[in-house]
Amino acid sequence: QSVLTQPPSASGTPGQRVTISCSGSSSNIGSNTVNWYQQLPGTAPKLLIYRNNQRPSGVPDRFSGSKSGTSASLAISGLQSEDEADYYCAAWDDSLVAWVFGGGTKLTVL
Amino acid sequence: QVQLQESGPGLVKPSQTLSLTCTVSGGSISSGGYYWSWIRQHPGKGLEWIGYIYYSGSTYYNPSLKSRVTISVDTSKNQFSLKLSSVTAADTAVYYCAGAPGYDILTGYYIWGQGTLVTVSS
Repeated sequence: QSVLTQPPSASGTPGQRVTISCSGSSSNIGSNTVNWYQQLPGTAPKLLIYRNNQRPSGVPDRFSGSKSGTSASLAISGLQSEDEADYYCAAWDDSLVAWVFGGGTKLTVL
Repeated sequence: QVQLQESGPGLVKPSQTLSLTCTVSGGSISSGGYYWSWIRQHPGKGLEWIGYIYYSGSTYYNPSLKSRVTISVDTSKNQFSLKLSSVTAADTAVYYCAGAPGYDILTGYYIWGQGTLVTVSS
């Protein structure tokens, strides 16, 4: 049981826009910023979005993040086949005093 | 750029201590640039943060694992290590070493090793 809640799956067709939600509480998302990771099959996670909506160098601007209250969202526009991956949200939890992650969302490009 | 590489036994017996090492290349582990961390992923599951060590030697562990975890640094070898004691089958996972920027750990982990699978079994 993950501290942050994500839908287990999401899907879209090439070119579409999809969003992935991440729900937390006042001790994590409500108090701290959210990061998103992309994990391609058989590889290590990669930082995709940091500080709610910032993209590391090299991440396409098709990826965007937002946060409101105790929830956050990752949006992917212009969906491409190479976006098929697992996506995880993460935040520092002030009560648990640890990084917490969502259970991950498997994105399928139809 | 900085790269990480995990190494260690892929099979550990129950009740024994799991020991892994992460070798840092492309930069000095003692430069103060990063929080060096361990994160694991149970088969087919999500991510679990284990803890971190800063170049100064200060450590912080996930409270759920704290009684069994030790993270240390060997600056002479440019490596940091994980020891997890009294392992059970529930500790079977892919273990990643990772780095977050020293100026702001909340920025997240943007450097990762490729991961190493550790199976706990007799």
